[in-house]
Amino acid sequence: DTGVSQNPRHKITKRGQNVTFRCDPISEHNRLYWYRQTLGQGPEFLTYFQNEAQLEKSRLLSDRFSAERPKGSFSTLEIQRTEQGDSAMYLCASSQGAGRGPQHFGDGTRLSIL
Amino acid sequence: AQTVTQSQPEMSVQEAETVTLSCTYDTSESDYYLFWYKQPPSRQMILVIRQEAYKQQNATENRFSVNFQKAAKSFSLKISDSQLGDAAMYFCAYRSVKINNDMRFGAGTRLTVKP
Repeated sequence: DTGVSQNPRHKITKRGQNVTFRCDPISEHNRLYWYRQTLGQGPEFLTYFQNEAQLEKSRLLSDRFSAERPKGSFSTLEIQRTEQGDSAMYLCASSQGAGRGPQHFGDGTRLSIL
Repeated sequence: AQTVTQSQPEMSVQEAETVTLSCTYDTSESDYYLFWYKQPPSRQMILVIRQEAYKQQNATENRFSVNFQKAAKSFSLKISDSQLGDAAMYFCAYRSVKINNDMRFGAGTRLTVKP
């Protein structure tokens, strides 16, 4: 399977804990995107990378959120001091080229805050 | 800021019939892309069809076609010969070419297909 891979599929944690998610994009894709999707809503853009450079961050991405793509391949999204409102599905997508290609999505990581 | 509106939270169609899902968007740009994505329950988002704003011809992919009305900022999806496997959440999405590269999604339409 050469699609976008996300781990873990589901993360349950207590409020205040830190969590980290991983995304492995399609290998030849240079662009990687993170989205957040809450129940009954469409995905909301968080940030994206072109290769290892983080080119844009949404204002939804508070100081508690940080994303990295150290070698231009996989990416991690870390949430520090989690809050109830962070409960959501976190989706990763990747695309090829200068952003004109379609984005291919992973299965997502569902975060549940107790 | 660009916004995408899907005014139908839920739609239902009989198997083998045709259904149209509505989408409108707001933008001041002339060059952009529009997409329809399908998200089955607990499964990943799949691209159904895309439309480039500079193309007047409506995109078609097998049983899926769009009615793109640029002046009206409308982008509806028509599903012909509906199948049980078409049941899913359908999201309309807008992506600017010039300003940034994030996609703006609508709130989605849940499509039920009745046998």
